[in-house]
Amino acid sequence: ILNVEQSPQSLHVQEGDSTNFTCSFPSSNFYALHWYRWETAKSPEALFVMTLNGDEKKKGRISATLNTKEGYSYLYIKGSQPEDSATYLCAFYNAGGTSYGKLTFGQGTILTVHP
Amino acid sequence: SQTIHQWPATLVQPVGSPLSLECTVEGTSNPNLYWYRQAAGRGLQLLFYSVGIGQISSEVPQNLSASRPQDRQFILSSKKLLLSDSGFYLCAWSLAYGYTFGSGTRLTVV
Repeated sequence: ILNVEQSPQSLHVQEGDSTNFTCSFPSSNFYALHWYRWETAKSPEALFVMTLNGDEKKKGRISATLNTKEGYSYLYIKGSQPEDSATYLCAFYNAGGTSYGKLTFGQGTILTVHP
Repeated sequence: SQTIHQWPATLVQPVGSPLSLECTVEGTSNPNLYWYRQAAGRGLQLLFYSVGIGQISSEVPQNLSASRPQDRQFILSSKKLLLSDSGFYLCAWSLAYGYTFGSGTRLTVV
């Protein structure tokens, strides 16, 4: 069973604060690491797909880094806004074994940005 | 463009009643299809996946079953719902390693 852990479980910040979350995953058989943004009653929205060690991706105020050798990824939000409030999910895509072709999700980090 | 439809959006069902959730994909052929569930306070758990018509793999033992009667149709079913079946169910499809999710079904078993 693959273990994908996210921390913290929840986070409350003030508007304008910058914040970051962590996703840790197995460092063997790595293929890709996904980040999703999930608002209540909506589909998870893909933010980034990261495949290479050292990858850094950016989308507006949100960015992510990847370290496949040690098995972690960070998601950063600069200058948080209330509309950033959502659950942020990471998911690990395995290159082999019985988990091939399937995403294994972390439990998510629930972000609440207060005006 | 590819789209995925999932319905219903919400459902309240009594214990012991049957269940049928449907997911259809448009704009693609032979996708991999998945059913995920998020139970209260937990992450997304893969329930079933399918790589083709009639091919279903179950990830966890449970009270649910899945079927894929057509290439772009994936159905999640139960003959008798349990309270523990409550949760948020998501259908997804992929062609490579990118996933697209449906809008989900909130199931409450009472």
